[in-house]
Order: sequence, then structure tokens, then C-alpha cells
Amino acid sequence: GQNIDQPTEMTATEGAIVQINCTYQTSGFNGLFWYQQHAGEAPTFLSYNVLDGLEEKGRFSSFLSRSKGYSYLLLKELQMKDSASYLCAVRDWGGATNKLIFGTGTLLAVQP
Amino acid sequence: GAVVSQHPSWVICKSGTSVKIECRSLDFQATTMFWYRQFPKQSLMLMATSNEGSKATYEQGVEKDKFLINHASLTLSTLTVTSAHPEDSSFYICSAEGGRGSGANVLTFGAGSRLTVL
Repeated sequence: GQNIDQPTEMTATEGAIVQINCTYQTSGFNGLFWYQQHAGEAPTFLSYNVLDGLEEKGRFSSFLSRSKGYSYLLLKELQMKDSASYLCAVRDWGGATNKLIFGTGTLLAVQP
Repeated sequence: GAVVSQHPSWVICKSGTSVKIECRSLDFQATTMFWYRQFPKQSLMLMATSNEGSKATYEQGVEKDKFLINHASLTLSTLTVTSAHPEDSSFYICSAEGGRGSGANVLTFGAGSRLTVL
């Protein structure tokens, strides 16, 4: 089976840096994704890691360690509009199809 | 980039009726689409994998006779909630893989359909 854990909620200050951690256990790992979701809207893609290391994309960076089953999403220069849920998702190779399994999500509140 | 269109955005129905939700990949072909359900303040739960031209693969605990999935073409998958009850009220989101500009492994999500069963 799969198990993906994230903190439920986090609070940070505008302009600061925040790191959202994700740990996972899966039988057939085939990549890890981070999505952003504002309330009532569909998730939007942020980043993808399949090899160990750091992927940087503007204010957002994502890190992966496959041996530790661990990833984090780093948000720099926080803006109020970054207040949203951040979903860690693992692509699990189920034999015939890759499935994307989501963690519980981390609700980030950015304060002035 | 890849665009997935989902319709309707909102639907309210009476208990016992059936509701169909459509998911279309607008500018790319999707042999596989995924259907998720999301309850308030919870994460996305995978319901089923929709495969073009074959039967859908359902996740454990999801009733295939209640949530009918049809993937008749490379750009359209439909989810029908049959004999809907209030506990089926939820946010249903479809997604498709691929499309130019999105990366082969990236899922693009539709805008979601909020179902309310009275």
C-alpha cells in the first residue's frame, strides 16, 4: 500500500521562507509531485522530482531523497497569494498503470 | 499547455437520481484519465483509473456499479454517479496525463465538479 504524510497546517510571514515536508512509503515509486490548491479550485502543478536532489523553479524548489522516502517543498519570498493547500503526491507504479496518490495536504497561511 | 475541461462545474440533484460528469482533454489525446473525489478540508482520493477502450480500474472501496466510468474516446471520459445520495455530495475532479507543455508525467486537472445531493 501507500502512505504519504504531511503536516496538516503551517503558518508563515509574508516575505519569509517556508519548508513543507513530506514523507512517503510506496511499493513502486515512480516520481513525486507537488501541487498547489486554492480552496474550491483544482490543483495546479508546481514541481516534479524523480531523481534525488533539488529542483528549482523560481520561488519554488523541491527536494527528493528516495532512500529516505522524503521530500520537501521550499517557498521563498512568500506572498499573500501563496496561502493555499500544498499537496504532495507520489506516482505509484501499479503494474499496469501509474497512479498518482495524494497526501493529506498542508494548509499554508501566509500572514502580513 | 495542456487543458482539461470538466463539466458541469456545479450540479444539484435530488436523492435517487443519476448525474453525469464529463472530462475532456481539449488539445491532446489522453489514453488514461483519473477520477478523484475530495471532501471538505481533505485531500484528493483516487476513485478510479479510466482507460480508453477498456474497463476502468477502481480503487478499493469504490463501488463500480455506483460510479460508472466510460472512456469512449481519446479525449472524453465520463463519470456517472448513479442513484445519488447525500453522502455522495463531494468535489469530483478528473485529470489526464500528458499534453504538450505539461511534461509526459504531469497530470493536468479539470476545474472540478461540485455535486450536492439533496
